[in-house]
Amino acid sequence: QSVLTQPPSASGTPGQNIAISCSGSTSNIGGNPVTWYQQLPGAAPRLLIYGNNHRPSGVPDRFSGSKFGTSASLAINGLQSEDEADYYCETWDDILKGVIFGGGTKLTVL
Amino acid sequence: QVHLQQPGPQLVKPSETLSLTCTVSGGSISGQYWSWIRQPPGKGLEWIGYIYDSGKTTYNVSLESRVTISADTSKNDFTLRLTSATAADTAIYYCARREYGASGYYFDYWGQGTLITVSA
Repeated sequence: QSVLTQPPSASGTPGQNIAISCSGSTSNIGGNPVTWYQQLPGAAPRLLIYGNNHRPSGVPDRFSGSKFGTSASLAINGLQSEDEADYYCETWDDILKGVIFGGGTKLTVL
Repeated sequence: QVHLQQPGPQLVKPSETLSLTCTVSGGSISGQYWSWIRQPPGKGLEWIGYIYDSGKTTYNVSLESRVTISADTSKNDFTLRLTSATAADTAIYYCARREYGASGYYFDYWGQGTLITVSA
């Protein structure tokens, strides 16, 4: 069971806006920046959002991140079929003194 | 552009030691944080540990009794060793660079992954 809680699945239709949540505690999300990764089927994870809300070059601006207190959220605006993937949140935990990942959310584009 | 290269799939016998090397090109491993992460089939990601300053290490507390990560700056690579392997260690193992920037810390470059199967 992951320290960071994500919904196991999410879905939407093309063009729709969706959000994926990541819930933690004061020892992790509450005091550290959150990162989001996208993992397409059969591929390595890819950096999507870092520092809560920063996009690396090459990531479409349809993707955005936010953090409030001990929770974070990944928003995808204008869903596209190629967004169908697994999404993971990640941060540092000050008590465990290590990197932790959320359990992952499988996004289906209907 | 940093590139991380991993070997092909490997079979490890139970109770033996798993060993994996990640070769870095496009930049020096010195002065950076280099990590191992694994993913059991059909499951989520688990951080194993990282090496930095060419020798200092931090490990996941759940694995630290069995894990060693080392680096060879002359070959520009780093190696994971996991002792006493069991079927629970069957996973895709990824190497990755951990970036520590002003805006946060994150894994920005990843290897392609290596499937390690622990089986007799």
